[in-house]
Amino acid sequence: DTGVSQDPRHKITKRGQNVTFRCDPISEHNRLYWYRQTLGQGPEFLTYFQNEAQLEKSRLLSDRFSAERPKGSFSTLEIQRTEQGDSAMYLCASSRTGGSGANVLTFGAGSRLTVL
Amino acid sequence: DQQVKQNSPSLSVQEGRISILNCDYTNSMFDYFLWYKKYPAEGPTFLISISSIKDKNEDGRFTVFLNKSAKHLSLHIVPSQPGDSAVYFCAASANAGGTSYGKLTFGQGTILTVHP
Repeated sequence: DTGVSQDPRHKITKRGQNVTFRCDPISEHNRLYWYRQTLGQGPEFLTYFQNEAQLEKSRLLSDRFSAERPKGSFSTLEIQRTEQGDSAMYLCASSRTGGSGANVLTFGAGSRLTVL
Repeated sequence: DQQVKQNSPSLSVQEGRISILNCDYTNSMFDYFLWYKKYPAEGPTFLISISSIKDKNEDGRFTVFLNKSAKHLSLHIVPSQPGDSAVYFCAASANAGGTSYGKLTFGQGTILTVHP
């Protein structure tokens, strides 16, 4: 197993453009999470899926953000009409279901977004 | 509202000595706590965790202590090694209704430097 993969690793875009990030979780993990990390801060929860169902979204996830996990495997996070405040590291993580193991997340290396 | 706080932005320790990283939380609903380690250009990596029913958990050189009355936890690394140099994040989870999931609240992180 290659762990959690994220693509692209770095994206530079102009304000107002749309961007999409992809995450491939560990295959036997049915939970998938998106977090955002800005400089000097810890990761902040954005949303999570169990299989293909999106079960919770943070208030941080404005209507310009949309996440999908269509077949319960990989996930995409799209940001429409990007703003400079969206510049951050977007981290994907996955975990098993049930018990304390569901709290132990395996993170990908992240996708860094820079909005000019 | 910073529910998980790591008040020391950085810590410098000599190789072979003990490293003690501290974390405070305010939300009394938190019942599971984790420490993650992060190297540059990598995602956070799970290190050790503790449930609120325990006050200590040990794994090799790493021990986590939980003081529920003080809402405080600490990570002890003994002996410290240069390879331990990284950013350490403490995280907490509130597992409502017996259903665990990975909605973690992270602290801001502490940069640990272990000098040879």
